[in-house]
Amino acid sequence: SAVISQKPSRDICQRGTSLTIQCQVDSQVTMMFWYRQQPGQSLTLIATANQGSEATYESGFVIDKFPISRPNLTFSTLTVSNMSPEDSSIYLCSVRQWANYGYTFGSGTRLTVV
Amino acid sequence: GQQVMQIPQYQHVQEGEDFTTYCNSSTTLSNIQWYKQRPGGHPVFLIQLVKSGEVKKQKRLTFQFGEAKKNSSLHITATQTTDVGTYFCAGPTALGAGNNRKLIWGLGTSLAVNP
Repeated sequence: SAVISQKPSRDICQRGTSLTIQCQVDSQVTMMFWYRQQPGQSLTLIATANQGSEATYESGFVIDKFPISRPNLTFSTLTVSNMSPEDSSIYLCSVRQWANYGYTFGSGTRLTVV
Repeated sequence: GQQVMQIPQYQHVQEGEDFTTYCNSSTTLSNIQWYKQRPGGHPVFLIQLVKSGEVKKQKRLTFQFGEAKKNSSLHITATQTTDVGTYFCAGPTALGAGNNRKLIWGLGTSLAVNP
């Protein structure tokens, strides 16, 4: 399965600032998925990022708040903009290489907004 | 909309006891996937079931996919402390195609094991 390097692993940020999370995959993948997970909760899909086109956002998530870049088939970034304490969460990127295998996740970014 | 329910939400067992978590989808699934997330970790893929009535085993873990492809279960025999974590089931939405279908996730079952 793919190996994903996700950075940063954690950060504490001031409200009103922005944080960019990076995910580097060791192989080319068509789609990358960005999730948010509150501690002790399930995963909520933020958006799906396809190389060369705008990301597709899920209900409740907008591009101005969570801009995504996908410059090539191995890399993507998610920015959390104008942060508030409600944005404190774990953010995860994910990919899937093969139809008969599941999704691989990055190690996650634990964000605390103060 | 399409939903995946998972029960129980929490389970506390003594080491050596068995454990089962159940997953039910509001719609028929083309496949169902199971993941394990250790405390402080990220979800790790365990298995994918595709066929109606399919049963797969991984050592002490037994996974089943219902005949109607709407429900699934994960059973752990003789739990160990290394089994601690949250177990999620997830199924693809009806929309999209192939690897690009997004997943609908269950809420997860958190397993605690007393040594």
